Amino acid sequence: EAGVTQFPSHSVIEKGQTVTLRCDPISGHDNLYWYRRVMGKEIKFLLHFVKESKQDESGMPNNRFLAERTGGTYSTLKVQPAELEDSGVYFCASSQVTDTQYFGPGTRLTVL
Amino acid sequence: GNSVTQMEGPVTLSEEAFLTINCTYTATGYPSLFWYVQYPGEGLQLLLKATKADDKGSNKGFEATYRKETTSFHLEKGSVQVSDSAVYFCALRPTSGTYKYIFGTGTRLKVLA
Repeated sequence: EAGVTQFPSHSVIEKGQTVTLRCDPISGHDNLYWYRRVMGKEIKFLLHFVKESKQDESGMPNNRFLAERTGGTYSTLKVQPAELEDSGVYFCASSQVTDTQYFGPGTRLTVL
Repeated sequence: GNSVTQMEGPVTLSEEAFLTINCTYTATGYPSLFWYVQYPGEGLQLLLKATKADDKGSNKGFEATYRKETTSFHLEKGSVQVSDSAVYFCALRPTSGTYKYIFGTGTRLKVLA
């Protein structure tokens, strides 16, 4: 069974540009989560999808971040326009109902 | 609110040394507790978990016991190997109301041959 996959693995962009991160959850997992680790600090929750619906988006830092999960399969996280403080590693995770969350390898975003 | 506190790293040990990475938490009720590991160049992998008080999670020689009285979930291994070099994250999932995980800051472990 394939694990959670994320694309790209690395992204380097200029301040003010747009970046879109993609996450493919484990097949059959209705729950999908986005997390972020900034500057070696703790990994922080961004939001939670159940199928295509946003269950909890309390961790989204501001309206420059837009997450979608059309069709309840893969998800995208768009940052527009990117700022320096958005640099970090973005992790995606998926789970069945209330089960353990399985994480992807992360996307390292660098905003210059 | 909910929070997780981990000992700061980096932790540097010689091969075959005993490892303890401290983790304490603040939460209401009985959260589920987890240790995740991130090896160099890889993603987060679940190492072990415990879902109720006095449970012991174990995997790959690592152990952690859910201590409600001390609100702790310390990670231990009797004899570390060079291949254990990684960043270790302690996390909790609150009892109810949300499925999001609360993570600690991570502890980097370096094991020398």
